[in-house]
Amino acid sequence: EAQVTQNPRYLITVTGKKLTVTCSQNMNHEYMSWYRQDPGLGLRQIYYSMNVEVTDKGDVPEGYKVSRKEKRNFPLILESPSPNQTSLYFCASSPSLPTDTQYFGPGTRLTVL
Amino acid sequence: GQNIDQPTEMTATEGAIVQINCTYQTSGFNGLFWYQQHAGEAPTFLSYNVLDGLEEKGRFSSFLSRSKGYSYLLLKELQMKDSASYLCAVLKAAGNKLTFGGGTRVLVKP
Repeated sequence: EAQVTQNPRYLITVTGKKLTVTCSQNMNHEYMSWYRQDPGLGLRQIYYSMNVEVTDKGDVPEGYKVSRKEKRNFPLILESPSPNQTSLYFCASSPSLPTDTQYFGPGTRLTVL
Repeated sequence: GQNIDQPTEMTATEGAIVQINCTYQTSGFNGLFWYQQHAGEAPTFLSYNVLDGLEEKGRFSSFLSRSKGYSYLLLKELQMKDSASYLCAVLKAAGNKLTFGGGTRVLVKP
């Protein structure tokens, strides 16, 4: 089944404890992206990747890192999480450019205490 | 930068029509998306417009006017399952950045 998977789905952590949210797609898509969704602010793009080893900042990259060593995986890294990073995170992928349909993962609800 | 505005909430009756407007200001434009998002779920793709005009897909249609920085999503023959948030997103020409509006929550009443 074609899908985008994220892990974990739910995470409660403490300030400063490094964490990684994984994202994987099995559709051989080139374009992958991370978003965060907060009430009243909608979806905001954190980072995106056009292909392996090609990543770019979105609108809210501060406090996050990403890597794209393989086509299928696009992990989101929070080196030192803070409470303002408490949010719902979505990973998405599309075949090539984002003009293609984007497929979203199920979301990761992160709480930083 | 980009400003994307859409109404926060709309209410309509089952079987009726609702039009959700989206206005945007952007330096460089490479298309506009509409997504549907049910509460607690991931967004799902509805439409993509890059040229002016109306695109129809079943009960849903999307319109774009690039000169006016304006789009709308038209939902016809509303069903209860159409109760959801509808997200407008603009793709910037340079850099392939995608920026979303705050979303419009549509409540369909019997």
